[in-house]
Amino acid sequence: KNQVEQSPQSLIILEGKNCTLQCNYTVSPFSNLRWYKQDTGRGPVSLTIMTFSENTKSNGRYTATLDADTKQSSLHITASQLSDSASYICVVSPVRAGTASKLTFGTGTRLQVTL
Amino acid sequence: GAGVSQSPSNKVTEKGKDVELRCDPISGHTALYWYRQSLGQGLEFLIYFQGNSAPDKSGLPSDRFSAERTGGSVSTLTIQRTQQEDSAVYLCASSSYGTGPYGYTFGSGTRLTVV
Repeated sequence: KNQVEQSPQSLIILEGKNCTLQCNYTVSPFSNLRWYKQDTGRGPVSLTIMTFSENTKSNGRYTATLDADTKQSSLHITASQLSDSASYICVVSPVRAGTASKLTFGTGTRLQVTL
Repeated sequence: GAGVSQSPSNKVTEKGKDVELRCDPISGHTALYWYRQSLGQGLEFLIYFQGNSAPDKSGLPSDRFSAERTGGSVSTLTIQRTQQEDSAVYLCASSSYGTGPYGYTFGSGTRLTVV
C-alpha cells in the first residue's frame, strides 16, 4: 500500500528559529511531491512541487528537498514567523498524469511558532 | 470567482439526517475534487469530476455518499442518513488541468459534526 509518513507529528519552535519537517514515502512509481500549508480552518495551500528529477525547490523562506533514491523529502523553514504556525502536509503523486484518486496525503506536521 | 468557495463553513446535524455540502469552483476550472479530512488523518479522496466525463467515484465510502456537478461548475456532496463517523472536514478543490495535482486550489472546507 502506498504510504506517506511525516515527522514529527507536532513541533514547537521559537520565532526566528529554523526547523525541518520530514516526509518519507513508499509510493512507486513516483512522479511528483508537493508540500502544502494548511492554516487552521482553511484549505491547504501549495508551497512547492517537485518532480522526481528535482532535488530542491525554494519558495521564500521555505525550501524543499527531495531524494528520490531514498524516497525522502524535507521542508526547511528559515527564520520562522508566528504566521508559519500551521499544519504542513506532504502529498505524493505516483504518475505524471494520474487520476486524483491516486494521490497520497500525509497526516501532516503541526507546527507552532511561539514568542 | 477568485477562489474555491464552500458552504456552509460549519454544519451540525443530528444522526440520521441528510446533509448537502456545496462547492463553487474557480471559474473555468474543469476538474473538481472532494476530499474528507478526519481528525488526525490525511486527506481522503472521495470523488473527482472532469468536464463531461463520468466521475471517478472510487473514494466514496458508502452508498450514503453521492455527489453531483451541474453545468460543469457547482458541485453538491450529499450524505444521507448521517452517522457520527461522518464527522470531518470536507474539502473541495478545483484544477484547470485534467488530472494530477498541478494547479490545485482548495476551498476552506465544511466542518461537519454529526451529533
